[in-house]
Amino acid sequence: QVQLQESGPGLVKPSQTLSLTCTVSGSSISSGSYYWSWIRQLPGKGLEWIGHIYHSGGSYYNPSLKSRVSMSIDTSKNQFSLSLSSVTAADTAVYYCGAAPNANYYDYWGQGTLVPVSS
Amino acid sequence: IVLTQSPATLSLSPGERATLSCRASQSVTNYLGWYQQKPGQAPRLLIYDASRRATGIPARFSGSGSGTDFTLTISSLEPEDFAVYFCQQRSNWRTFGQGTKLEIK
Repeated sequence: QVQLQESGPGLVKPSQTLSLTCTVSGSSISSGSYYWSWIRQLPGKGLEWIGHIYHSGGSYYNPSLKSRVSMSIDTSKNQFSLSLSSVTAADTAVYYCGAAPNANYYDYWGQGTLVPVSS
Repeated sequence: IVLTQSPATLSLSPGERATLSCRASQSVTNYLGWYQQKPGQAPRLLIYDASRRATGIPARFSGSGSGTDFTLTISSLEPEDFAVYFCQQRSNWRTFGQGTKLEIK
């Protein structure tokens, strides 16, 4: 059973960079079994796919966020990370990390972490 | 690809049949999934590739459709089924619908 846990700052100021880490247990990130993903849920709204990364480091980002997004993997810690630059209040959301076999659908999710963007 | 779900809210009673719709702005062939989300929880995958139930999902949940029109059917509602349901496509990047809230009548 794959388990994921997001961690990061509880508040980010406008124009700064939002950084989150997802710690994976129950599966090795380097096994190649999953694509490791970030998805966010804007307040009162639907879900938005941010992107995903494979154990090799290959990554794919939502075109609407691509200029501000970067993802990385740390196999030694079994973690993957998200960086979202130049944030505004519109980036306030619950951020989830997820795991998808073949990058298609998300079988496993973290509990989510609310990241407000406010001065 | 934009996914439009209808209705936004569906009010039914336990034991009734629920039919939720997801329409894609262009064909996604059968590359569509459905998730259930309860308050304060992450989404849970129910259906993938339009009609295949995910592991451990009860048989009362079924999916159908292809191309641009898809349906999630819950044959007889249990109390724990009242939640928000999202569709998601994997044909072109990944996008989600805005959700249908299934509430108790």
